[in-house]
Amino acid sequence: GAGVSQSPSNKVTEKGKDVELRCDPISGHTALYWYRQSLGQGLEFLIYFQGNSAPDKSGLPSDRFSAERTGGSVSTLTIQRTQQEDSAVYLCASSLAGAQETQYFGPGTRLLVL
Amino acid sequence: TQLLEQSPQFLSIQEGENLTVYCNSSSVFSSLQWYRQEPGEGPVLLVTVVTGGEVKKLKRLTFQFGDARKDSSLHITAAQPGDTGLYLCAGGGGFKTIFGAGTRLFVKA
Repeated sequence: GAGVSQSPSNKVTEKGKDVELRCDPISGHTALYWYRQSLGQGLEFLIYFQGNSAPDKSGLPSDRFSAERTGGSVSTLTIQRTQQEDSAVYLCASSLAGAQETQYFGPGTRLLVL
Repeated sequence: TQLLEQSPQFLSIQEGENLTVYCNSSSVFSSLQWYRQEPGEGPVLLVTVVTGGEVKKLKRLTFQFGDARKDSSLHITAAQPGDTGLYLCAGGGGFKTIFGAGTRLFVKA
């Protein structure tokens, strides 16, 4: 497709389980971002990938969160041992290279941890 | 730490009314973006402003960047139900982009 896609669109899990969220960026976009959006909050930066460079993980809230990007395209965000406070919308965005490039967002994955 | 404060947090108006939402910071930004996010979707970029004092118009939406590049406003003329959504401002760019918490607008028919 022409836009950023994310899967699943919704995920309900039990506390303590691991979850994997997937992001397919726009073809040709070298930069990929993950954000978390909680109700009433702004977008919280989690992690940034740029080409083959080491990712900027400065936004990850704990070591239960990790992400990888294979082949410079698809990215997976993994949350281990989920907690109820992890419930949020997880948004992925991609952009062309460059600090001022516009970010294009996917529809998000709505995660609910029971 | 750079912060963007948006006001009001929530706004409910009748179709046809005008409204203005604000995005303020104590920091200077090289550029500022406005996004609209509809339920179940990701944010969609509406406009980017880069020059202090700049005014951009997008149909019934007017965006202004403050002279000092610390604040911005979005004015909607004759609001329509289709304008309903979460309006986010964001400053900077790339992975250093800072997002405000948003103004949730509901336009009643």
